[in-house]
Amino acid sequence: GAGVSQTPSNKVTEKGKYVELRCDPISGHTALYWYRQSLGQGPEFLIYFQGTGAADDSGLPNDRFFAVRPEGSVSTLKIQRTERGDSAVYLCASSGVRRGGLYNEQFFGPGTRLTVL
Amino acid sequence: GESVGLHLPTLSVQEGDNSIINCAYSNSASDYFIWYKQESGKGPQFIIDIRSNMDKRQGQRVTVLLNKTVKHLSLQIAATQPGDSAVYFCAENTGGFKTIFGAGTRLFVKA
Repeated sequence: GAGVSQTPSNKVTEKGKYVELRCDPISGHTALYWYRQSLGQGPEFLIYFQGTGAADDSGLPNDRFFAVRPEGSVSTLKIQRTERGDSAVYLCASSGVRRGGLYNEQFFGPGTRLTVL
Repeated sequence: GESVGLHLPTLSVQEGDNSIINCAYSNSASDYFIWYKQESGKGPQFIIDIRSNMDKRQGQRVTVLLNKTVKHLSLQIAATQPGDSAVYFCAENTGGFKTIFGAGTRLFVKA
């Protein structure tokens, strides 16, 4: 089956504009995560969904960032009044039910590269 | 795709040699540790994980070692191949779902 997909792959916008980034998780995965990765750094946790609800949004940097997952599948990360510092690769990951392993393995999408001019 | 980790610590090894990538973690309460591999233009890919009550775990060509006394994690790759060239991240998890990634190491494999 298909892996995690993210659209668009690249997004260029101007400072102050609104953007939406979409994530399609692996079918059946109940958990969905958003991360932000700046050049030369590891992914930075933003938010985690279990089903439709945001179980942990402690990583969202400020109230310009918001994410939804209305039907427990596709998720959209929304950024208002974008700033140049928001430029980064935004990664989405999903995970399913733990099957006796140590960890709910997260499967990552290829990311959306956001550039704010 | 975008190249990640342009200014990361770098490890260069000869094909066929063993590689050791090290990581220091910060949270003594973390109970799971994971190694990820990230190739240019792609998202991170799970390699191997280890629980805090273990000190060693082996996979296919990879071994993870955990030293909780000094909060140190290492990834050993046996018989390194050109396809192993990537950025490697360690990550820690406190048993929930929030995963904290380290800074990463770029591995170059010379043919």
